[in-house]
Amino acid sequence: SQKIEQNSEALNIQEGKTATLTCNYTNYSPAYLQWYRQDPGRGPVFLLLIRENEKEKRKERLKVTFDTTLKQSLFHITASQPADSATYLCALGPSRWGYNKLIFGAGTRLAVHP
Amino acid sequence: SAVISQKPSRDICQRGTSLTIQCQVDSQVTMMFWYRQQPGQSLTLIATANQGSEATYESGFVIDKFPISRPNLTFSTLTVSNMSPEDSSIYLCSVGTGTGGSGANVLTFGAGSRLTVL
Repeated sequence: SQKIEQNSEALNIQEGKTATLTCNYTNYSPAYLQWYRQDPGRGPVFLLLIRENEKEKRKERLKVTFDTTLKQSLFHITASQPADSATYLCALGPSRWGYNKLIFGAGTRLAVHP
Repeated sequence: SAVISQKPSRDICQRGTSLTIQCQVDSQVTMMFWYRQQPGQSLTLIATANQGSEATYESGFVIDKFPISRPNLTFSTLTVSNMSPEDSSIYLCSVGTGTGGSGANVLTFGAGSRLTVL
């Protein structure tokens, strides 16, 4: 069955540094991959989507890469700020062979310290 | 994107009772999704609620335990029946916005309902 792995340990970084979060998956060929942000007591909020034929996608201080050979996505936040502290979830979109639902990872908690 | 109101935001329930969670969307949507998020675990899809038809349940979830209603295109309820402590979780409703292009299913979530079963 499909499996998504995100680092379960919290990532602690200093303000101004680049945060890099990893999402690995197995037994799946997603047509796209998404990243969401979740704050305590809130539902996840969509950040970025990257398709299988795209290597990199950027949005302001966010950058996502997608390596379908390694079955891995990296999520970068440059010039991180304490306000970026949250849990970040990756989600796999349906495969090209169908099965129309998103499969979520458990998320990685990011803490940005002043 | 759609705005989703979900209630209750949290509740403490006794074993054996049932609780209904409500989800209201500010626009008409075809499909609404109900997820469960247990502590330290990933979001797991419970079922997809379509207006005018029976909900479609994922493996491991059954209608008797999680009955769903979808009376119109802006509203849905999820009931957690005969609760046990194992049902303690956050339950979230969501809708697909399709803003990812080519039918990519980007989701908007409600704030969630945190249930604690004693």
